[in-house]
Amino acid sequence: GESVGLHLPTLSVQEGDNSIINCAYSNSASDYFIWYKQESGKGPQFIIDIRSNMDKRQGQRVTVLLNKTVKHLSLQIAATQPGDSAVYFCAENIMGRRALTFGSGTRLQVQP
Amino acid sequence: GAVVSQHPSRVICKSGTSVKIECRSLDFQATTMFWYRQFPKQSLMLMATSNEGSKATYEQGVEKDKFLINHASLTLSTLTVTSAHPEDSSFYICSARNISGFDGYTFGSGTRLTVV
Repeated sequence: GESVGLHLPTLSVQEGDNSIINCAYSNSASDYFIWYKQESGKGPQFIIDIRSNMDKRQGQRVTVLLNKTVKHLSLQIAATQPGDSAVYFCAENIMGRRALTFGSGTRLQVQP
Repeated sequence: GAVVSQHPSRVICKSGTSVKIECRSLDFQATTMFWYRQFPKQSLMLMATSNEGSKATYEQGVEKDKFLINHASLTLSTLTVTSAHPEDSSFYICSARNISGFDGYTFGSGTRLTVV
């Protein structure tokens, strides 16, 4: 996601299509990254993580890609389902800080 | 898997009163817990880091006398919003990190605070 404030960027996809959600981070000292899914009124739910010494990691239907050169992180969801509709946040662990820093988020809407 | 329980899930209080929110790690110990605040359609913003047995570390701009944090045990942290005002209405979320060193951060289900 890129914008902040009152409007989350929205990605709308058809059921069964693949989704790609992007995130730019700014701190080159970040060494650990996590993607979270947040449904309305709930806390963030862990999806997948990746360390800075990797550039790709795969899970079930999800893949995270990390490009440290341009400080870019992406989440790919294969065969997107209506249950994937939610807001997705990337989070980074900046070396030396204990807490996670969250990106601005992207709303994924899956059309049946 | 690791579970963090947050209570209450919703609370409505009158302006000027105080509200306490609890965050418990149910099946692991956490020397460090984190409190975030989330306004509608926005991201999670870190308020403070709660340290077991010592003072919390607050982020810039967060009033420590207004948002009291107590981390009295390895499984419980509390956030008390004192003298709440309508602008404190928000979604408060806690997170805990396992003492064992596992990098995972587990989040609670959040507390919707409405101050009227």
